[in-house]
Amino acid sequence: GAGVSQSPRYKVTKRGQDVALRCDPISGHVSLYWYRQALGQGPEFLTYFNYEAQQDKSGLPNDRFSAERPEGSISTLTIQRTEQRDSAMYRCASSSHRPSDNSPLHFGNGTRLTVT
Amino acid sequence: TQLLEQSPQFLSIQEGENLTVYCNSSSVFSSLQWYRQEPGEGPVLLVTVVTGGEVKKLKRLTFQFGDARKDSSLHITAAQPGDTGLYLCAGALRTDKLIFGTGTRLQVFP
Repeated sequence: GAGVSQSPRYKVTKRGQDVALRCDPISGHVSLYWYRQALGQGPEFLTYFNYEAQQDKSGLPNDRFSAERPEGSISTLTIQRTEQRDSAMYRCASSSHRPSDNSPLHFGNGTRLTVT
Repeated sequence: TQLLEQSPQFLSIQEGENLTVYCNSSSVFSSLQWYRQEPGEGPVLLVTVVTGGEVKKLKRLTFQFGDARKDSSLHITAAQPGDTGLYLCAGALRTDKLIFGTGTRLQVFP
């Protein structure tokens, strides 16, 4: 597709349920990032992939959060046993090269997660 | 934990005024990017600066990377209502981890 696609756009779930958020990056993009963003604030780093390899997961808040990108394209961010504090906008971004090559990130429109 | 602090957090000005946004850190970055984000959308890249002391201009916007590559500034001349948005700096660490600043919300009134 022309841009980064995230689904679902909105997700409402009950506390304790598992959720899976999907990111479809721009075709051919090497790097894929997941961020979490509170309203009016900067995105908070969660994790990052180069191709299928998870390079850095230091931003994942705890072991209920995991991410994968098995074929180096589509990525899934999974949150197990959701809690109300997990409610946020989750954003995915992809880049044609590594950031050290000064490539820009292209962001999707995000998934708004609400845990009730 | 955000390693990049932006100031001011909020800025509300009249059309035609000048403004400067600052982005500061104790970390050294291999490059620094500035993004602008509008409500309901993802951030969009404005510029990338790479070399310490580098200055880049984009129409009325001037970006500078600090000599030590730890800080940056964005100066807007003669702000217009179309400049309204959330401005974000983002620093690339050597590990390719890209971290964003705390954000500066700019409102320009006609």
